[in-house]
Amino acid sequence: DIVMTQSPDSLAVSLGERATISCKSSQSVFLRSNNKNYLAWYQQKPGQPPKLLISWASTRESGVPDRFSGSGSGTDFTLTISSLQAEDVAVYYCHQYYTLFTFGPGTKVDIK
Amino acid sequence: QITLKESGPTLVQPTQTLTLTCTISGFSLSAGGVAVGWIRQPPGKALEWLALIYWDDDDRYSPSLKSRLTITKDTSKNQVVLTVTNMDPVDTATYYCAHRLHPGPFMYWGQGALVTVSS
Repeated sequence: DIVMTQSPDSLAVSLGERATISCKSSQSVFLRSNNKNYLAWYQQKPGQPPKLLISWASTRESGVPDRFSGSGSGTDFTLTISSLQAEDVAVYYCHQYYTLFTFGPGTKVDIK
Repeated sequence: QITLKESGPTLVQPTQTLTLTCTISGFSLSAGGVAVGWIRQPPGKALEWLALIYWDDDDRYSPSLKSRLTITKDTSKNQVVLTVTNMDPVDTATYYCAHRLHPGPFMYWGQGALVTVSS
């Protein structure tokens, strides 16, 4: 199994400030044949299903604000919210779909 | 518009078998590349993938739960069914079904169905 870890477990950021979440996989999720990282980021608000924000490590889904960005390759990835808004309060999960499917433990983002 | 909706019992007794149905619309379960998966989330905890079925009936299971899971689909009814045997209180969770277009991630999710395991 590929194990996903995230840090921090939670963070509080002032409105308009940057929030950065780290995700690490126990083995590489990069496929050389197509030059893609099989890594996605989800946002989940209370009482709602997860919402796909970013796929292929850095491709923002349609309709996702451009303050959300993903980066990284291989085993180390980052989700950045460049200017935190009140509606961004949520739990964020990374997810690998390279070998079967696993999710990270989640990072809770709050307003400071 | 792609939608998925989970249905099934809200309360299950320990040792019983859980059967959940995912009814889909907006896509065909037989279309090339399409897959539907089941993911669960215990209250206040993280997401855990359980099972997946592809358009060609190929399937995949979580290694830790494989012996207890069966996933099937009925294309004519637009339904995907998950059975989980020998339910235990630790299986209490919201169970989601989700659409995936291979080889991408899960994109569309149902609203989830909360299943409580208790006597």
